[in-house]
Amino acid sequence: QVQLQQWGAGLLKPSETLSLTCAVYGGSVSGYYFSWIRQPPGQGLEWIGEINPGGNTNYSPSLKSRVTISIGTSNNHFSLKLISVTAADTAVYFCASRTTIGYYMDVWGRGTTVTVSS
Amino acid sequence: QSVLTQPPSVSGAPGQRVTISCTGSSSNIGAGYDVHWYQQFPGTAPKLLIYGNTNRPSGVPDRFSGSKSGSSASLAITWLQAEDEADYYCQSYDSSLRGSYVFGTGTQVTVL
Repeated sequence: QVQLQQWGAGLLKPSETLSLTCAVYGGSVSGYYFSWIRQPPGQGLEWIGEINPGGNTNYSPSLKSRVTISIGTSNNHFSLKLISVTAADTAVYFCASRTTIGYYMDVWGRGTTVTVSS
Repeated sequence: QSVLTQPPSVSGAPGQRVTISCTGSSSNIGAGYDVHWYQQFPGTAPKLLIYGNTNRPSGVPDRFSGSKSGSSASLAITWLQAEDEADYYCQSYDSSLRGSYVFGTGTQVTVL
């Protein structure tokens, strides 16, 4: 099983770009599907998007116009960018992975708290 | 944004059995997609509890079991213990949203 370690800026102003990175240990980024999931304070989980081993992406329809998920070319990591953030984007953001076998996330990062405030 | 509906909370005394329902629709659970369950403690990441409707990852006690029927699924916790107090989420796949993962609204389990 891989391990995921994530990091990124935790405080943003409205209209800025959220940028998070998730490093993959114990496996190659080319062997798994990776997702980003977020959880607003006191609320449930929301799937943001996924990138597959071939580098193809699939995004939540509600966020598609603002989201980009990519795989790093030189290091074993993948990233999330969310443009034009607002207070509604305040949440804990998790990276997660799944194998090719089933549509479930079996490995999760520890989460990064992102606050959007002026 | 959640398209899978769960009860907000369930509770039980130690040793009792509790169940959590997860109701979907014909585009997700009812379309045949598997249901998976996660356990989340405050301030931590979700942990996979049940995958493929009924399967437990290594290390998950057999007190936890899952089932699926039609457009719904259930998680049962038997012999409830204090350490089971947490939030639980179901998750599936939805074909109506151009192929998206969907989570349940979440259920808080309280051990009385």
